Amino acid sequence: KAGVTQTPRYLIKTRGQQVTLSCSPISGHRSVSWYQQTPGQGLQFLFEYFSETQRNKGNFPGRFSGRQFSNSRSEMNVSTLELGDSALYLCASSFSPYPQRNTGELFFGEGSRLTVL
Amino acid sequence: KQEVTQIPAALSVPEGENLVLNCSFTDSAIYNLQWFRQDPGKGLTSLLLIQSSQREQTSGRLNASLDKSSGRSTLYIAASQPGDSATYLCAVRYGTASKLTFGTGTRLQVTL
Repeated sequence: KAGVTQTPRYLIKTRGQQVTLSCSPISGHRSVSWYQQTPGQGLQFLFEYFSETQRNKGNFPGRFSGRQFSNSRSEMNVSTLELGDSALYLCASSFSPYPQRNTGELFFGEGSRLTVL
Repeated sequence: KQEVTQIPAALSVPEGENLVLNCSFTDSAIYNLQWFRQDPGKGLTSLLLIQSSQREQTSGRLNASLDKSSGRSTLYIAASQPGDSATYLCAVRYGTASKLTFGTGTRLQVTL
């Protein structure tokens, strides 16, 4: 069974550009969440999607957005990139966001490392 | 504010030693707690998940405990090996919220 797949794994952008990252969850998983990891702030929650709907959003500016498709694949977009957006972006999948319906265990991908110059 | 703290930030032990990593959380209304391992430049690998109704979980040489009343969880690693060298993160899921609140991690180095 394939794990969570994130593409691209590495990318370099310049300030002001925009970027789109993709995440394919584990087969059968319908919930996808995104996290940003930086040396200074650690792991911070960005947002979560289930059934193509954003269920929860972290404390990030509107430049960060996402969406989920009918096949549960998700994308996140960052517009007008800033140097501080350089980070490892991690996607996690679970069967359902409702813990009553499953163990609630999250499975993470290898991440997309974004460098903004 | 719901915070998760991990102490120590870094730990170096010789191969073969048993060790304990600590995780503290400020709000006892947790739903579950998950321990992860992260190798440099890599994603997170789930190690153990403890539900709020459980006291401990075991997988191979790993044992995680949970004490909600004191706001603590420990990850016990038996007979450490150089391959255990990584950063260990604990993450708490509060109530029915679906997001995880992560600790800052403990960087473990197991030396030969």
